[in-house]
Amino acid sequence: DAGITQSPRYKITETGRQVTLMCHQTWSHSYMFWYRQDLGHGLRLIYYSAAADITDKGEVPDGYVVSRSKTENFPLTLESATRSQTSVYFCASSATSGGTGELFFGEGSRLTVL
Amino acid sequence: AQTVTQSQPEMSVQEAETVTLSCTYDTSESDYYLFWYKQPPSRQMILVIRQEAYKQQNATENRFSVNFQKAAKSFSLKISDSQLGDAAMYFCATEGGSEKLVFGKGTKLTVNP
Repeated sequence: DAGITQSPRYKITETGRQVTLMCHQTWSHSYMFWYRQDLGHGLRLIYYSAAADITDKGEVPDGYVVSRSKTENFPLTLESATRSQTSVYFCASSATSGGTGELFFGEGSRLTVL
Repeated sequence: AQTVTQSQPEMSVQEAETVTLSCTYDTSESDYYLFWYKQPPSRQMILVIRQEAYKQQNATENRFSVNFQKAAKSFSLKISDSQLGDAAMYFCATEGGSEKLVFGKGTKLTVNP
């Protein structure tokens, strides 16, 4: 089905473990984004990508790593999870610049770090 | 840095009535876009309405309209004839420079039957 999908939808892990959240879109959108959503903070940008092999930091990149070897995939890795990374993570894509075009969001991945 | 402020953490409205959600922003861009996104309990974020700053006419999408005051850097969302399905978190957003959006902290809207 066309769209943007995230996996896993729910994940519980322990402090210090590596976790990868997957994001896949079928529209061939150039731009992809990772946001985290926390109570009292709204959505904060972690990383974004304007095209394959081009990534850039957002507002809260520390502790996260991204890659984009293919246009359709944009995985987010927590190299050593911490409790402060407990959050809901949203992947989004856009055909044009994220500042001008509509963002299409995945359903979110709820991550709990114990 | 661009900032977006939503001063109303929560709002409520009676079904069929009108409600206005507030948003102010600060940007150094001369030309930019403004957005309202809706996040229902299902968590899926969807675009409600978009405004181009250089357009003086306020954007409208069915029951949703905006009051865009460029000089005041204000971008409020008006929902007319509120329906139970309008209950959600609403996020205001604007271009944060370098091709990305900056979001406000959101307003939780409750619709009472």
